[in-house]
Amino acid sequence: AQSVTQLGSHVSVSEGALVLLRCNYSSSVPPYLFWYVQYPNQGLQLLLKYTSAATLVKGINGFEAEFKKSETSFHLTKPSAHMSDAAEYFCAVIRSGGSQGNLIFGKGTKLSVKP
Amino acid sequence: NAGVTQTPKFRVLKTGQSMTLLCAQDMNHEYMYWYRQDPGMGLRLIHYSVGEGTTAKGEVPDGYNVSRLKKQNFLLGLESAAPSQTSVYFCASSVGLAVTGELFFGEGSRLTVL
Repeated sequence: AQSVTQLGSHVSVSEGALVLLRCNYSSSVPPYLFWYVQYPNQGLQLLLKYTSAATLVKGINGFEAEFKKSETSFHLTKPSAHMSDAAEYFCAVIRSGGSQGNLIFGKGTKLSVKP
Repeated sequence: NAGVTQTPKFRVLKTGQSMTLLCAQDMNHEYMYWYRQDPGMGLRLIHYSVGEGTTAKGEVPDGYNVSRLKKQNFLLGLESAAPSQTSVYFCASSVGLAVTGELFFGEGSRLTVL
C-alpha cells in the first residue's frame, strides 16, 4: 500500500534562508508524487509533481523537489524563503488499488517564515 | 473564472441534524472529490466521482452520502450529523486521474457539529 510521511509538523525559517520540507514515501510500484500548498483559509494548489521523467522537478514560486529512489524521498526545497511562503505544505502519492488513481496525502508541514 | 465553488462556507449543526454541502465546478472536469481535513491528519478522501451519475467510496465514507446528478455539481450529504464530523471539507475536481492532471480545490467549508 502507498503512503507518505512528512517529517516535522512545523518548520520555522528566517527570511532568505533555505527551506527544506521532508517527505518519505512507501510504494510497491513506481510512485507518482506531488507537493501541494495551502495558504491560510484557502484550498490546496499544486506546487509540483513527479511522474517518472526527470528526478529533479521544478515547481511554481521557486520550489523544487528531488526524487531519490534509494532513499524513498521526495523532499521540497527553496533556496531563499520569502514571507509569502508561509503556508502548509502537503506531500501526496497516487493510490493504486481501491480508490485507484486518487491521492493519499501526508499530514502536512506548516512553514513559518520569520522576518 | 470561478473554478471550484463550495457552499456554504461555514455551518453549525446540532447532533442529529442533516445538511448538504454543494460543490460546483465550471471547468468541465470529469472527476470530482470530497475530502475532509482535520488537524494533524492531512486530507482524507470521503467519496469521489469519475463522471456524471457515478460515485465511489473513499477512505472515510461512513456517515456521508454523495450524488452527482449533473457533471458540474457534486453534493455531500450528512443525514445525521455527529460531533466526529466537525471538520473542514474540501471539494476538488480534475480532468482525469490525479496522475494526468492536477486537482483543483475549493476554498473549503467549515462544519461544526455541537
